[in-house]
Amino acid sequence: GEDVEQSLFLSVREGDSSVINCTYTDSSSTYLYWYKQEPGAGLQLLTYIFSNMDMKQDQRLTVLLNKKDKHLSLRIADTQTGDSAIYFCAESIKYKLSFGAGTTVTVRA
Amino acid sequence: EAGVAQSPRYKIIEKRQSVAFWCNPISGHATLYWYQQILGQGPKLLIQFQNNGVVDDSQLPKDRFSAERLKGVDSTLKIQPAKLEDSAVYLCASSLEGPASNEKLFFGSGTQLSVL
Repeated sequence: GEDVEQSLFLSVREGDSSVINCTYTDSSSTYLYWYKQEPGAGLQLLTYIFSNMDMKQDQRLTVLLNKKDKHLSLRIADTQTGDSAIYFCAESIKYKLSFGAGTTVTVRA
Repeated sequence: EAGVAQSPRYKIIEKRQSVAFWCNPISGHATLYWYQQILGQGPKLLIQFQNNGVVDDSQLPKDRFSAERLKGVDSTLKIQPAKLEDSAVYLCASSLEGPASNEKLFFGSGTQLSVL
């Protein structure tokens, strides 16, 4: 099974906030990442957080990290139709990336 | 700046046939990765090159998969013979140095392989 787990689907209304959750297993992960994949395209790095941080904000994106619970979340404020995509959580273990199965985010008008 | 180039975009073959994928990383990027992404799953690392040397191929099914990066620039990934379970998108990525320095990975659009 996956070492990184995510819920598979999220539907959100345009203008609302989206929250995508992820749990990981390896407490020695140094960095945790969020990637975005649009249809027919490769993965694009959205943001990352170092394991000694609790929160990172980058424009509409907020990453929260709970190391105790090994829980990572990505909040997208003011979600737009262009945010419809698959979002992958990934952890870096011994300099290798381990990806979750991805959360498909659908933005409805 | 040109991105990571991959070809072909799509490939359909019958089981037991051979297939090859090509990747040209971003100019100057030392590290090149091949990932396999099965439908509904996250990408799984197959092999990682640093220049023309293999850094990690622990997840590469070596009985049927091979990869090379002879001149430390572009790379080919081959499957011979293909099985039905090899149907997936094969993604190539590159980075300036590598994840050890938290370098950003740039992904190509992938080659979608269907094995019938």
